[in-house]
Amino acid sequence: QKEVEQNSGPLSVPEGAIASLNCTYSDRGSQSFFWYRQYSGKSPELIMSIYSNGDKEDGRFTAQLNKASQYVSLLIRDSQPSDSATYLCAVGMNSGYSTLTFGKGTMLLVSP
Amino acid sequence: EAEVAQSPRYKITEKSQAVAFWCDPISGHATLYWYRQILGQGPELLVQFQDESVVDDSQLPKDRFSAERLKGVDSTLKIQPAELGDSAMYLCASSPARERETQYFGPGTRLLVL
Repeated sequence: QKEVEQNSGPLSVPEGAIASLNCTYSDRGSQSFFWYRQYSGKSPELIMSIYSNGDKEDGRFTAQLNKASQYVSLLIRDSQPSDSATYLCAVGMNSGYSTLTFGKGTMLLVSP
Repeated sequence: EAEVAQSPRYKITEKSQAVAFWCDPISGHATLYWYRQILGQGPELLVQFQDESVVDDSQLPKDRFSAERLKGVDSTLKIQPAELGDSAMYLCASSPARERETQYFGPGTRLLVL
């Protein structure tokens, strides 16, 4: 059974700091990786996707992927109170009618 | 910007009653997903459609849940009869043909079964 593991948190960081969110997955055949942000009571919002080993940067967000270690992370630079949310890691096979498997999410709290 | 539409946004019902949720995906998105998200958990796939066909309903409790997408556009998810444990957020998502795993979520329907 495919599993995606995340620390539930909360992860507390002060405003302006770097927040580091981690995710591990069990299926070595996984090919696509996504980070979603979910504010309390709202639906998930896609913020990053990554498919190849290494880093991918988009504004204050950097996704990092290491397929050998089955590990994906999200770094948020210059964290803002508005970044306080639950961050969901999702993993897919990228083949056929593949579906995404979601982790339980990590709650991030950014204090002013 | 195109969005996935869902209705209703909130639904309160009594156990043993029937409920139905509606979803209209982003125009042109052939793949549509229904997820259930229990508080504190990640979304769990209930059913996946490719056009009008079901391609994955392995986690759908078929004794009480049904889903259809008759014309390959909008979709309805039904629960009959509802149980207390069905209280959750029901999320609809869609994805474009060229990026099937890039899923865009609607606002969700929050269901409370009393």
